[in-house]
Amino acid sequence: EVQLVESGGGLVQPGSSLKLSCVASGFTFNNHNMHWIRQAPKTGLEWLALIYSDGSHNYYADSVKGRFTISRDNSKNTLYLEMNSLRSEDTAMYYCAKWGKRSNYYYTLDAWGQGTSVTVSS
Amino acid sequence: DIVMTQSPTSMSISLGDRVTMNCKASQSVGSNVDWYQQKTGQSPKLLIFKASNRCTGVPDRFTGSGSGTDFTFTISTMQAEDLAVYSCMQSNSYPFTFGSGTKLEIK
Repeated sequence: EVQLVESGGGLVQPGSSLKLSCVASGFTFNNHNMHWIRQAPKTGLEWLALIYSDGSHNYYADSVKGRFTISRDNSKNTLYLEMNSLRSEDTAMYYCAKWGKRSNYYYTLDAWGQGTSVTVSS
Repeated sequence: DIVMTQSPTSMSISLGDRVTMNCKASQSVGSNVDWYQQKTGQSPKLLIFKASNRCTGVPDRFTGSGSGTDFTFTISTMQAEDLAVYSCMQSNSYPFTFGSGTKLEIK
């Protein structure tokens, strides 16, 4: 069974940093691209970042580019999101998600973690 | 960025009703649209991929259709366990973008 377990969230002050983790199990982690998505209170989902299976490439949403860094340690089956210069608008539930194959040539976010909550407030 | 305009924002429905919601992309995304179900306190769950393909184990009362810029998600006969927020997502180009979600409530 695929499992993704996020951790590292909490209450932090504006301008501070936080590093989220996502431990994967139940699949071959180093074969899959991985993503971070967030959901602010009472709002919709926002895609944040992608990292390739071998860590060679990554992409970011403009809202976090230059402040957030996605990384992974395939030896530990773990995905990370390092967040710097946090703002009140970064307050959200943060999810990691697996990029999986659903049919020939089609991939999507086919498994999500339960999320870790980040609150940015003074 | 591609904007996914989802409508309606919420629906007040009765059990047994047919439910239809839409997502309109600001530019063509081919068939690269997925639909997610999110129940209260849970993470999103993939129901439909590539516009119209149901995931294994998803009841056949859930269907998706569309291509290009216009997509539709339908629940043929609303069940109590279907109460949730449903969101579309385009994965045609980065950044991936989601619709704002449709919240289903019981009338």
